[in-house]
Amino acid sequence: TAGITQAPTSQILAAGRSMTLRCTQDMRHNAMYWYRQDLGLGLRLIHYSNTAGTTGKGEVPDGYSVSRANTDDFPLTLASAVPSQTSVYFCASSEEGTDTQYFGPGTRLTVL
Amino acid sequence: GQNIDQPTEMTATEGAIVQINCTYQTSGFNGLFWYQQHAGEAPTFLSYNVLDGLEEKGRFSSFLSRSKGYSYLLLKELQMKDSASYLCAVMDSNYQLIWGAGTKLIIKP
Repeated sequence: TAGITQAPTSQILAAGRSMTLRCTQDMRHNAMYWYRQDLGLGLRLIHYSNTAGTTGKGEVPDGYSVSRANTDDFPLTLASAVPSQTSVYFCASSEEGTDTQYFGPGTRLTVL
Repeated sequence: GQNIDQPTEMTATEGAIVQINCTYQTSGFNGLFWYQQHAGEAPTFLSYNVLDGLEEKGRFSSFLSRSKGYSYLLLKELQMKDSASYLCAVMDSNYQLIWGAGTKLIIKP
């Protein structure tokens, strides 16, 4: 199985432009998450979804939005990118019962 | 506030043993996770502790003391491929993971 896939792998984006980072999982996990990882900091939760049709805000949600139309897909949208959103973005899903999270390969985003 | 502390960097020799410590202060506790992250790659799950004591999984072991807010990851018979960052994360009362900044482990021949 593919597990979790993310697209694109990397992207350079002009400030003020919008972008959607895609995330798809084939493990039928109910819960999904978006994190950003910056040098010297721990992973920080942006948004999460406990099940299809529901979403919630994490630690750093400002400037980002998500949707969860079905179990498999959890896209993250930046409506108007700013340089401080330059980061590596990881999507994850978690296994029922143990709450163990499994990560996609990440998207490296640079906002100029 | 919530806080996870772990050393920024450690160096060890191939074939040796290394212990990576993690201390935490969180609002509630629903388990502690260790992940391995090679440079440029995604974190991958190593271990999970929810009760006090030692969990052993091959060359890797993880220990938890909830009363002390303390965990360690023990890596034995170090191999060059163990060079990576090791992330400690605690699941808080809201079942959200709070992550440490990670410990970069450098293995020397």
